[in-house]
Amino acid sequence: DGGITQSPKYLFRKEGQNVTLSCEQNLNHDAMYWYRQDPGQGLRLIYYSQIVNDFQKGDIAEGYSVSREKKESFPLTVTSAQKNPTAFYLCASTPFGAGGNIQYFGAGTRLSVL
Amino acid sequence: AQSVTQLGSHVSVSEGALVLLRCNYSSSVPPYLFWYVQYPNQGLQLLLKYTSAATLVKGINGFEAEFKKSETSFHLTKPSAHMSDAAEYFCAVSDQGGGAQKLVFGQGTRLTINP
Repeated sequence: DGGITQSPKYLFRKEGQNVTLSCEQNLNHDAMYWYRQDPGQGLRLIYYSQIVNDFQKGDIAEGYSVSREKKESFPLTVTSAQKNPTAFYLCASTPFGAGGNIQYFGAGTRLSVL
Repeated sequence: AQSVTQLGSHVSVSEGALVLLRCNYSSSVPPYLFWYVQYPNQGLQLLLKYTSAATLVKGINGFEAEFKKSETSFHLTKPSAHMSDAAEYFCAVSDQGGGAQKLVFGQGTRLTINP
């Protein structure tokens, strides 16, 4: 089945530690996105990538980094500079093409601080 | 800049009653509008989308939404609520014609169904 796989489902971060969230898609989509979800705030865009080896900052990129070495993979690193990392993180993808393309979402990773 | 406002962070209805979730948007160009649903600890699933074809859009699970340009609204409705409709609902807007599309989401409305 085609889809987006996020791992792990739950992740705990210690003080001063960097952690990496995985996002893999087998939909052959060109664009991929990372969102952060906090209660009552909807989803906010962290980073997005339109093609391999290229990515752009979203609205809340500070304290996060990404890479796009392969079309199917878009990992997100939460660095120690992100002082409030506790949130639900969602990865999405969409094909290029005409406007109004649907974003398909993974099941999410819930990150907590120890 | 685009924005989305969902009126009511929490809506509660009885089983079998009408569901109405409100969404107003702001966009300087003709928008693409979406409604997504999220069940607990899961990702988002598309309910329906508006892309300038018909103003009344039908989606999955009996939901529909009407685009009203004069009111800058895209409210979501379902004639008869079912217990399985309990979830969080997000309205989103995009104005990009192609390529990577950045979605701007509302803050979400949690729908509770009373038996």
